[in-house]
Amino acid sequence: AQKVTQAQTEISVVEKEDVTLDCVYETRDTTYYLFWYKQPPSGELVFLIRRNSFDEQNEISGRYSWNFQKSTSSFNFTITASQVVDSAVYFCALRSNTNAGKSTFGDGTTLTVKP
Amino acid sequence: DGGITQSPKYLFRKEGQNVTLSCEQNLNHDAMYWYRQDPGQGLRLIYYSQIVNDFQKGDIAEGYSVSREKKESFPLTVTSAQKNPTAFYLCASSINRGQAYGYTFGSGTRLTVV
Repeated sequence: AQKVTQAQTEISVVEKEDVTLDCVYETRDTTYYLFWYKQPPSGELVFLIRRNSFDEQNEISGRYSWNFQKSTSSFNFTITASQVVDSAVYFCALRSNTNAGKSTFGDGTTLTVKP
Repeated sequence: DGGITQSPKYLFRKEGQNVTLSCEQNLNHDAMYWYRQDPGQGLRLIYYSQIVNDFQKGDIAEGYSVSREKKESFPLTVTSAQKNPTAFYLCASSINRGQAYGYTFGSGTRLTVV
């Protein structure tokens, strides 16, 4: 069975602090894809990044960076110099041939950035 | 621009009524999904469809029904059999070739039983 665990239910930081959101996954497939989505207060989930299981290179996009480590089955997301606009619920998801190709979502981490 | 349109944004239902939530996409995506989100909780899959005229139950299908008569449309009906329908409902779609593609989500419908 597939599983995605986001152990941090809520995180609160002060603006300009760095923050890391954890994501741990379980799958028996050797080929799979990991995703992060952002859900701002408006409600619509927005795709942030995709990483496939064969590419362990870290990725940086502006203030966002992602650290994928197969050895620990983790795909963590770091926001550098957080801003109030980063306040949202962040979901990690896993997709592979198991589970009829449907995505398995974590329960989400609510990030609050205070001014 | 391509995307997913969910309507209405807010919906109020009386006890015992059926209501239908609309989801339309112009992305030419094969697969479509309905999720339910309760306050402070994650996403739970209600139904999904990977091709026109075919759909499968998700984890919490009881009290819901869907149809997929057109590729672009995947309406969700919340029936009176759903005992606790107050929630935020999200529709999503994806390309169905392999698992490399993420989901595109609509802006959601907030359903309240009055």
